[in-house]
Amino acid sequence: QKEVEQDPGPLSVPEGAIVSLNCTYSNSAFQYFMWYRQYSRKGPELLMYTYSSGNKEDGRFTAQVDKSSKYISLFIRDSQPSDSATYLCAMRGGGTSYGKLTFGQGTILTVHP
Amino acid sequence: GAVVSQHPSWVICKSGTSVKIECRSLDFQATTMFWYRQFPKQSLMLMATSNEGSKATYEQGVEKDKFLINHASLTLSTLTVTSAHPEDSSFYICSARVGNYNEQFFGPGTRLTVL
Repeated sequence: QKEVEQDPGPLSVPEGAIVSLNCTYSNSAFQYFMWYRQYSRKGPELLMYTYSSGNKEDGRFTAQVDKSSKYISLFIRDSQPSDSATYLCAMRGGGTSYGKLTFGQGTILTVHP
Repeated sequence: GAVVSQHPSWVICKSGTSVKIECRSLDFQATTMFWYRQFPKQSLMLMATSNEGSKATYEQGVEKDKFLINHASLTLSTLTVTSAHPEDSSFYICSARVGNYNEQFFGPGTRLTVL
């Protein structure tokens, strides 16, 4: 079993839709959770960073963490064609694993006009 | 701020040759740099972690004699793929972290094609 599971999609939605992206994890040592956006042939760009259960909002993006269920989500409101990319969840623990990120497989999102 | 660059952005080489990829933090000093590889439609896999002035720590299954990492300064880390073979063709991405700051900043990646 992979430490981090993410539905690879692909996911196709119309412009303006609400998008929900999800990851589950099995390692209870994970304490910090991130969402990255990666355009084709580019490096990942950090979108959201959270470390506690609950919701964190930034513009059209909301990150949700449920540590009891080992489940994280990213919601995109009013999706735009420019949001079309691969979305990667990533997480890490503390202590000796400090800094080492474990990524999900990535979900390919297409927002069509 | 927090810009990471990579050079070259793409490279094509013949089998058996060595290729060096540079990763630079442009506006901050990176105490730790990470090297990842990514195959098409797959996620990033950590290859190694390097701290300035010390030997890199390689992930299980990554050949340290094949993927040489040097982190000679706080702004530069290099990855050398020695005696490259077609199966080494991949997208190589570095990231950099400053001090105990939690975020990693990623470079744009280098696409390596070995013929």
